[in-house]
Amino acid sequence: GENVEQHPSTLSVQEGDSAVIKCTYSDSASNYFPWYKQELGKGPQLIIDIRSNVGEKKDQRIAVTLNKTAKHFSLHITETQPEDSAVYFCAARTGYSSASKIIFGSGTRLSIRP
Amino acid sequence: NAGVTQTPKFQVLKTGQSMTLQCAQDMNHNSMYWYRQDPGMGLRLIYYSASEGTTDKGEVPNGYNVSRLNKREFSLRLESAAPSQTSVYFCASSEEVKRWGAFFGQGTRLTVV
Repeated sequence: GENVEQHPSTLSVQEGDSAVIKCTYSDSASNYFPWYKQELGKGPQLIIDIRSNVGEKKDQRIAVTLNKTAKHFSLHITETQPEDSAVYFCAARTGYSSASKIIFGSGTRLSIRP
Repeated sequence: NAGVTQTPKFQVLKTGQSMTLQCAQDMNHNSMYWYRQDPGMGLRLIYYSASEGTTDKGEVPNGYNVSRLNKREFSLRLESAAPSQTSVYFCASSEEVKRWGAFFGQGTRLTVV
C-alpha cells in the first residue's frame, strides 16, 4: 500500500538557523504534497503545499521542494523563531477526484532553542 | 466561517459503551475524513467520504462506522468502545478542484476505561 516516510522524528535547531524536514513517498501516482503544523493541543494546520507539476514553492520563511524522480519532498524553514516549535507532518495525496486519499508521515517534532 | 467543527471535545467512555462523534464543515467541501492520532504513530485514516452518499474504509476501520448525513456533516460511531480506541480523533475536509489539502477540526480526545 501507499506509504510516506518522514525524517527526522525530532529536530532541534538554534533560533535563527534553518530547519529541514524530509519525506519520501512510495506511490508514483501521488500528485499533491501538503505540509501541516500541529501545535500542542490543536488540530493540524495546513502551512504550505505543492503539486506534482512544480519543483519548488516558497511562502515567506517556508519553502517546499519536490523531486518526483526520487519520490521525495522537503520542507525548509529559514530564520527559525520560537513560534516555529511544533510537530510537522508531511502528506501525499493520490488521485485527481474527490475519491483520492491522503497518507501522512509520522511527524517531526521541531524545537527551536533560544 | 467556522471551518471544521467537532463535538464533543472530550469524552470518557466505559468499555462496551457506544457513542457518536459529530463533525460539520461550512466550506462546501466534497470530501470529509476521520483520522485518529496516537502518540508516535502520526495520523491514520479511519474512514473517508468522497462525496455525499459515499463512504470508504481507510487504514484502520475496524470497530468504527460512519455516516455522511449530508454535504456538511460526517459522523463517526463507536458501537462498542474498547480501550484500544483511546485516542485523539480528528475530522477533516477538503475540496476537490484547486486545492486538495485537508482542513482539520480541533479534535476529540476520547478515553475508554
